[in-house]
Amino acid sequence: AQSVTQPDIHITVSEGASLELRCNYSYGATPYLFWYVQSPGQGLQLLLKYFSGDTLVQGIKGFEAEFKRSQSSFNLRKPSVHWSDAAEYFCAVGAPLNYGGATNKLIFGTGTLLAVQP
Amino acid sequence: SAVISQKPSRDICQRGTSLTIQCQVDSQVTMMFWYRQQPGQSLTLIATANQGSEATYESGFVIDKFPISRPNLTFSTLTVSNMSPEDSSIYLCSVSGLRSTLMNTEAFFGQGTRLTVV
Repeated sequence: AQSVTQPDIHITVSEGASLELRCNYSYGATPYLFWYVQSPGQGLQLLLKYFSGDTLVQGIKGFEAEFKRSQSSFNLRKPSVHWSDAAEYFCAVGAPLNYGGATNKLIFGTGTLLAVQP
Repeated sequence: SAVISQKPSRDICQRGTSLTIQCQVDSQVTMMFWYRQQPGQSLTLIATANQGSEATYESGFVIDKFPISRPNLTFSTLTVSNMSPEDSSIYLCSVSGLRSTLMNTEAFFGQGTRLTVV
């Protein structure tokens, strides 16, 4: 069965420090992989996605993630965190569909809550 | 990208009543999904809304409690029936497979409906 694990429930970093949020998945083939961010009281915003090709993907707000098939991981990174990055981050895995490659239902991890210290 | 309009954005309802949430997309889409996010939790898929046929429900969710309609490629409704305080959650509509663009692999989310049952 598909599953997503985000081992860190809560992370605190200092502003300007680097960040890495971990995500491991379980899936029988190469899945679609996503990172979403949710600010308090807000909806989900897509940060980046991996479907195929280059394993290092760039996203919005200076985020990047690397797909490592051998480790079944898709960790999110940012070289320098800003106070506005404080939010909850969700990793998700989905399967491609046959209808033009549309994404099937997503399985979400439990989320990592990021706090940023001044 | 797709613009998803969810109505209502929030509501406070009496136990035993029902609430219908609407999801309108500005583009035709292949897939529409409904998720639930309980307080402090991650997102859990309720069902896939299928155009012109019965929705496909995930384990633990049933049609009598969460009836879903999808009359066309841009609109869906989710009803939360006979509500109890345990139904207090954020309900989110998600779509993928935009037929109008090449972005047909991305999953988009509405802003969600924050439901409180008293």
